[in-house]
Amino acid sequence: AQKVTQAQTEISVVEKEDVTLDCVYETRDTTYYLFWYKQPPSGELVFLIRRNSFDEQNEISGRYSWNFQKSTSSFNFTITASQVVDSAVYFCALTRGAQKLVFGQGTRLTINP
Amino acid sequence: EPEVTQTPSHQVTQMGQEVILRCVPISNHLYFYWYRQILGQKVEFLVSFYNNEISEKSEIFDDQFSVERPDGSNFTLKIRSTKLEDSAMYFCASSEGTTGRGDEQYFGPGTRLTVT
Repeated sequence: AQKVTQAQTEISVVEKEDVTLDCVYETRDTTYYLFWYKQPPSGELVFLIRRNSFDEQNEISGRYSWNFQKSTSSFNFTITASQVVDSAVYFCALTRGAQKLVFGQGTRLTINP
Repeated sequence: EPEVTQTPSHQVTQMGQEVILRCVPISNHLYFYWYRQILGQKVEFLVSFYNNEISEKSEIFDDQFSVERPDGSNFTLKIRSTKLEDSAMYFCASSEGTTGRGDEQYFGPGTRLTVT
């Protein structure tokens, strides 16, 4: 069975600090896909990134970066120089493919001015 | 940019009533999904739909639930006899299915269902 664990329920930091959101996953599949979604207070789910199991290259997109390590089954998300607009709930998710997404419990991130 | 739309944005219904939640997936997408999120909790998979049939469903998706693609554009979720515990945000999602596995699922804005 697939499982995603986001151990950090809530994180609160001051603006401009760097913050890392942890994601640990479990799967028996050799091919799988990992995602991060952002859910702002308005409630919609906003896609941030997809990573397949064969691509362990870290990715950077502006202030966002992702660290995928198969050895530790982790797919962590770092926001550099956080801003108030980054305040949201962030979900990590896992899928085998064109199938259901299995979500973690989410991490509520609050950026204080 | 194409987007998934859902109607209504908020539905209030009495326990025992039937509700139909509507979704218009992105037009060239082949896979459709329903998820729900009880307030403050994680997003949970309900059902996936491909080639006009259910491809997978979760334990939550019992006989009270059904899905339909009545025409070429709409994708609906019906709850036959709502319970208080069905109160949640329901998200529709769609994905291309043409680039192989691991397509990004595009989510609609959600329908907040309140059962009183």
